[in-house]
Amino acid sequence: AQTVTQSQPEMSVQEAETVTLSCTYDTSENNYYLFWYKQPPSRQMILVIRQEAYKQQNATENRFSVNFQKAAKSFSLKISDSQLGDTAMYFCVLVHNNNDMRFGAGTRLTVKP
Amino acid sequence: KAGVTQTPRYLIKTRGQQVTLSCSPISGHRSVSWYQQTPGQGLQFLFEYFSETQRNKGNFPGRFSGRQFSNSRSEMNVSTLELGDSALYLCASSLDGGRYEQYFGPGTRLTVT
Repeated sequence: AQTVTQSQPEMSVQEAETVTLSCTYDTSENNYYLFWYKQPPSRQMILVIRQEAYKQQNATENRFSVNFQKAAKSFSLKISDSQLGDTAMYFCVLVHNNNDMRFGAGTRLTVKP
Repeated sequence: KAGVTQTPRYLIKTRGQQVTLSCSPISGHRSVSWYQQTPGQGLQFLFEYFSETQRNKGNFPGRFSGRQFSNSRSEMNVSTLELGDSALYLCASSLDGGRYEQYFGPGTRLTVT
């Protein structure tokens, strides 16, 4: 089965602190892509970060970075220096080469002032 | 560059009716994907169109269908509406499917009574 599991339905963090969102997945493929998308309360989903499975180096985008552990099938998202605008639902997404997409259930992150 | 637009933004229909939702992708994007988002089932992939052809399909009944026009605009149709079809329907466009960054529209909120 090709599934994505986000074990933390809700999380909160103080502004300026660091938080890590967990994601594990299951796939029998060797080539695939992993994404974190965020959906703020306004509802428009936007890309946070993208990782290609064949790349060993962890992707980073400013305050956002991932810890990609291919053997363990783990793909966690770290948000540093959390800002109020980071409050959103975060989805971990697995995409195979044929564009088959699987979404996790999401983690609702609240950044507190 | 204009973003992904979806029309209408809100819709109320009665059980048994049919509905058509529209999505205009970002200029130059040939892939359009559709998703259903509900509190209970989360985000589920409906189908993806690329160059007017359905390239991927999720696990939804045949009442859900779609098409893509030569200008990449896409429509999805739901026939014989059921109460459980009430959801936020999201459309996303990309250069070539989910392996690449997807740009999401604001969604169409469908309520079936």
